[in-house]
Amino acid sequence: DSGVTQTPKHLITATGQRVTLRCSPRSGDLSVYWYQQSLDQGLQFLIHYYNGEERAKGNILERFSAQQFPDLHSELNLSSLELGDSALYFCASSVHGTEGEKLFFGSGTQLSVL
Amino acid sequence: GQNIDQPTEMTATEGAIVQINCTYQTSGFNGLFWYQQHAGEAPTFLSYNVLDGLEEKGRFSSFLSRSKGYSYLLLKELQMKDSASYLCAVRDTTGGSYIPTFGRGTSLIVHP
Repeated sequence: DSGVTQTPKHLITATGQRVTLRCSPRSGDLSVYWYQQSLDQGLQFLIHYYNGEERAKGNILERFSAQQFPDLHSELNLSSLELGDSALYFCASSVHGTEGEKLFFGSGTQLSVL
Repeated sequence: GQNIDQPTEMTATEGAIVQINCTYQTSGFNGLFWYQQHAGEAPTFLSYNVLDGLEEKGRFSSFLSRSKGYSYLLLKELQMKDSASYLCAVRDTTGGSYIPTFGRGTSLIVHP
């Protein structure tokens, strides 16, 4: 168990809908990263938050948005869903130490858009 | 940004040694990581290199050459449970935030 909690584990929805994925980082970790993993693209960086502030954006679509709340949990909102958005979405929190800033991943949310 | 290349798939025999290579191009290198990911599960941290050389951790070792943009993960005494995808990730400076970018992973199949 990494200590990072993601809900829900599975989500099945229809095209055009909106969903919210939730992530709670490990206790004490201030950073939250969101990644999307699909079979053909691998693990793609979406967005990074640190202590409530957006720090970096990757290949995140305009239909997607995220935020990190004062209690440090984060939500990823996906709207106007398309079939191609079906993927495994991971969040990760990080700690900086002698092993660099290694990531601890949640178990992921498997999103299926039908 | 950066390009990260690693083989798509490798096979090896239980008890053997396998080396998984990773090459990268980056403008602001700040460390290289290896993660292991079993099918349907989350990636888990294996190793970290920021300086040139070899880091050993039990059956796993990781090597880095910054001048060549090259790393490898060495797995010794392979076990069936080592069948998984191995992800090379490079930490880069992007707008002041150090973002780990992942390669597509190498699927390792260990057979008896």
